[in-house]
Amino acid sequence: DAGVIQSPRHEVTEMGQEVTLRCKPISGHNSLFWYRQTMMRGLELLIYFNNNVPIDDSGMPEDRFSAKMPNASFSTLKIQPSEPRDSAVYFCASSLVEESSGNTIYFGEGSWLTVV
Amino acid sequence: LAKTTQPISMDSYEGQEVNITCSHNNIATNDYITWYQQFPSQGPRFIIQGYKTKVTNEVASLFIPADRKSSTLSLPRVSLSDTAVYYCLVGPLYMYSGGGADGLTFGKGTHLIIQP
Repeated sequence: DAGVIQSPRHEVTEMGQEVTLRCKPISGHNSLFWYRQTMMRGLELLIYFNNNVPIDDSGMPEDRFSAKMPNASFSTLKIQPSEPRDSAVYFCASSLVEESSGNTIYFGEGSWLTVV
Repeated sequence: LAKTTQPISMDSYEGQEVNITCSHNNIATNDYITWYQQFPSQGPRFIIQGYKTKVTNEVASLFIPADRKSSTLSLPRVSLSDTAVYYCLVGPLYMYSGGGADGLTFGKGTHLIIQP
């Protein structure tokens, strides 16, 4: 299995620009998660989906952030407009969450975002 | 909400056994304990999960006392490549049973440094 695939791996953008991060979860997984990691705040859960439906977006920092999952094999996290404080590593993760076996989360390699 | 407390950092030497303890005084009856490992520039990776007593796999052992208010991750005969951040998470096995994002919340983790 190819694992969770994220793109781009690295992005440098100017303040005010729109940033779109993409994620392809592991085939067959029914849950998808977006995390953000910074030195100051550690790993923060931003939003998660189950069967393509957003379940909890309480971790999304503000209206500039939005996430979609149009189908089981693709999700995007968009920041518009971007600000320097959004600079972080953004991880996408997926899991096959079943009542009998729980939810081991598989992470992608991350998208390293720098907003200047 | 089950919160976890771990040491911020630990040092050890190659060939030693390392034990990292996590405190979770408010663990709920249906909560499981899960440990993840994160290397620099990578996403976290699942290590082990358990509910009570002892769980062992090819990588580590997890010891959980009867009161379940703490757990200990044991890494046998560590090597330099075990230098990483280790996270303890507590939450329901099936996240959609009502526990929500409890089991998806990463704390600051324990920075384990292995020296030659």
